[in-house]
Amino acid sequence: AQSVTQLDSQVPVFEEAPVELRCNYSSSVSVYLFWYVQYPNQGLQLLLKYLSGSTLVESINGFEAEFNKSQTSFHLRKPSVHISDTAEYFCAVSDWRSGGYQKVTFGTGTKLQVIP
Amino acid sequence: DVKVTQSSRYLVKRTGEKVFLECVQDMDHENMFWYRQDPGLGLRLIYFSYDVKMKEKGDIPEGYSVSREKKERFSLILESASTNQTSMYLCASSYASGNQPQHFGDGTRLSIL
Repeated sequence: AQSVTQLDSQVPVFEEAPVELRCNYSSSVSVYLFWYVQYPNQGLQLLLKYLSGSTLVESINGFEAEFNKSQTSFHLRKPSVHISDTAEYFCAVSDWRSGGYQKVTFGTGTKLQVIP
Repeated sequence: DVKVTQSSRYLVKRTGEKVFLECVQDMDHENMFWYRQDPGLGLRLIYFSYDVKMKEKGDIPEGYSVSREKKERFSLILESASTNQTSMYLCASSYASGNQPQHFGDGTRLSIL
């Protein structure tokens, strides 16, 4: 069975500082990996995804995540955060299987608080 | 702009009531999902539908049922509401080729008294 661990429930960081949100997964097969963001009082939005190919994936608002198979990690990073990045971030994993629905398992979320 | 619309942002019901949560998407997506979100537990899949009248149980289907009579609409039904079903409920949708939920509604915060 697949699982996702987000060890940090809250991460405070000063504006313009770098940030890393950690995500580790476990699965017995190849995986797809995702990061979602949830702004206050809103639903989730897909931020970025790794399906195959380059292990470094980027979002349009400056976040990036790197798939590391040996460490089973998919950490999310941003070199300089803004107040508007304050949100909850969810890591998710989907097993790669042939045919059928591939269930997506979500982590418990990390709240990023950007301090002015 | 693509949209997933949940009929209510806030809902208060009493134990034992039958509760309907409605979700409509305007993107012609094949897949639709219902999740519940609880602090410290993340999102848990209740039910999934990959086509009209088709459904699959998720991780926590007990106490819930779903209905998908039209492609754009996916309803979640609490057969007899209980206090442990107080939660945030999120609907989502995606294309058939995209197994991950792609677009989410803003959620319904349901309180069962």
